Amino acid sequence: DVKVTQSSRYLVKRTGEKVFLECVQDMDHENMFWYRQDPGLGLRLIYFSYDVKMKEKGDIPEGYSVSREKKERFSLILESASTNQTSMYLCASSLLQGTSGANVLTFGAGSRLTVL
Amino acid sequence: AQKVTQAQTEISVVEKEDVTLDCVYETRDTTYYLFWYKQPPSGELVFLIRRNSFDEQNEISGRYSWNFQKSTSSFNFTITASQVVDSAVYFCALRYETGANNLFFGTGTRLTVIP
Repeated sequence: DVKVTQSSRYLVKRTGEKVFLECVQDMDHENMFWYRQDPGLGLRLIYFSYDVKMKEKGDIPEGYSVSREKKERFSLILESASTNQTSMYLCASSLLQGTSGANVLTFGAGSRLTVL
Repeated sequence: AQKVTQAQTEISVVEKEDVTLDCVYETRDTTYYLFWYKQPPSGELVFLIRRNSFDEQNEISGRYSWNFQKSTSSFNFTITASQVVDSAVYFCALRYETGANNLFFGTGTRLTVIP
């Protein structure tokens, strides 16, 4: 009954490496989101997408990019990982704004990234 | 600016005790939505409740209840007769009507229920 799947639960990368975090949802949701979660800071939005090939910056987009080539898949890319990007990354999806239930985000289990 | 404050960082209770998790929000919008999510140790945030700004009725779902008071900008969450399975991090979140379909999260409250 998994609805939002994040490809990796744990990753360890080195500074400067390119990192891809993949997220797939099977609910035909239009919106997809990437958050990072840090102790004492809660969840902060990195990027979101409301349609294929569309993306919008969230609160902390610096150092990240995203790709949405298919409706069900939303990728987060760290072009050159840095130690301050060590964090838990959460992907979520939702129906389009204005649709009944649109506001409810369904989350994946998270990807814990460590950058050495 | 939108803001959600969960002043309680960590709470510990003994099983069967009642516990209230506080949430205070700030928004200039008249139409907004408030949410509670639960994050168990597995990591996946689970939706618990959504409330819109025009509906101040309190809600009860089993052992869970929510008290929404616009006068104090609060949306508190009470667990009655807590159980070990309630141990988790709980997040309160706010979404306003206009703009991006985004949630603004509080910093979370870690609840530990001791058997």
